[in-house]
Amino acid sequence: NAGVTQTPKFRVLKTGQSMTLLCAQDMNHEYMYWYRQDPGMGLRLIHYSVGEGTTAKGEVPDGYNVSRLKKQNFLLGLESAAPSQTSVYFCASSYRINQPQHFGDGTRLSIL
Amino acid sequence: GENVEQHPSTLSVQEGDSAVIKCTYSDSASNYFPWYKQELGKRPQLIIDIRSNVGEKKDQRIAVTLNKTAKHFSLHITETQPEDSAVYFCAASKGTGANNLFFGTGTRLTVIP
Repeated sequence: NAGVTQTPKFRVLKTGQSMTLLCAQDMNHEYMYWYRQDPGMGLRLIHYSVGEGTTAKGEVPDGYNVSRLKKQNFLLGLESAAPSQTSVYFCASSYRINQPQHFGDGTRLSIL
Repeated sequence: GENVEQHPSTLSVQEGDSAVIKCTYSDSASNYFPWYKQELGKRPQLIIDIRSNVGEKKDQRIAVTLNKTAKHFSLHITETQPEDSAVYFCAASKGTGANNLFFGTGTRLTVIP
């Protein structure tokens, strides 16, 4: 039982490049989330999903897109990366509302 | 949206002493308050949570208290050990929509042996 798995773990991009971060969970959780973590700012919600085929915006959605085609996967896309998107990205999942969220190990993304 | 403030930002204690971290929230509709521990370079991990129908919850050396009237909640760690050194985050959620968690900015706890 792997829990929440994120790939890749590290990535360096040039400004304007695009990429997709993958999150996979094997706990049959309905809810999935993407956060970014920046120094001194805690974790901020980018986008979330309440079930397969659904997505919604969080606190800081600009510059990101997401898709949840399968229940176990939640993809985060950057269409045109900007230096302001340099951050550590965490995926999380939870079984239902107001239940503990389980986090992946994070993806450290640097944009030059 | 919800605004969660966390204090202090850094905390150093001697091994064996207690540590207390405090958070306040702005939205009186918030009803779920988890605490996460994050070691350097690791994922956040839930250590304890409390719901608005409970005033206090304990789990071994860790306890959380909630004051709904004042809109604040606190984490208490007793008999601190070096392995308690980490960054601790509080969070609050209303339990609507997608269980959106609003996080505090974190407290770096250092336990001095």
